[in-house]
Amino acid sequence: NAGVTQTPKFQVLKTGQSMTLQCAQDMNHNSMYWYRQDPGMGLRLIYYSASEGTTDKGEVPNGYNVSRLNKREFSLRLESAAPSQTSVYFCASTPTSNSGNTIYFGEGSWLTVV
Amino acid sequence: GDSVTQMEGPVTLSEEAFLTINCTYTATGYPSLFWYVQYPGEGLQLLLKATKADDKGSNKGFEATYRKETTSFHLEKGSVQVSDSAVYFCALRRSGTYKYIFGTGTRLKVLA
Repeated sequence: NAGVTQTPKFQVLKTGQSMTLQCAQDMNHNSMYWYRQDPGMGLRLIYYSASEGTTDKGEVPNGYNVSRLNKREFSLRLESAAPSQTSVYFCASTPTSNSGNTIYFGEGSWLTVV
Repeated sequence: GDSVTQMEGPVTLSEEAFLTINCTYTATGYPSLFWYVQYPGEGLQLLLKATKADDKGSNKGFEATYRKETTSFHLEKGSVQVSDSAVYFCALRRSGTYKYIFGTGTRLKVLA
């Protein structure tokens, strides 16, 4: 009954360090997403993958890269972390292209860049 | 572009009070509309949804009606409980796109 699993749950980075957030879903969903959540800003889309083999930019892609490794996994990479990337990151997935589909979220990854 | 506007919080109510959280949207066509809830330290989970005009979504005593004429999807509950304390997000997804657009969230605090 795992759903969407993200790792790590907490991470502290120094400015300039790199890291990858991992995400996997076991629901056989086609589409996957990365959002960031900041106080007063709600959820903002960083990147999404409509289907295996495709990725597209969202609202706030600068400073991030993604990889859709296979149908299950979608990773988010910070190449050179900046304090402005301190945030809570959520991975999510949805089954098909139907706009009425529910989007399912992981539990979040708390990232602090000092 | 598509957008969702929610009333700012926090909203503080006494137990058993009536709740309304306003949500309006801007989008072309007929998007699907959603309410998600986030409890402290957790991810978002679906509360209810509506996929066409005049549909009413409902779950756990919460309701919202898709009003195309006023581009609104207001969340209501007749009698809130302390356990309803959380952050509530309104969202939309337009047909033919993959993006879910979220509002900024409204924090609800219910006092015993």
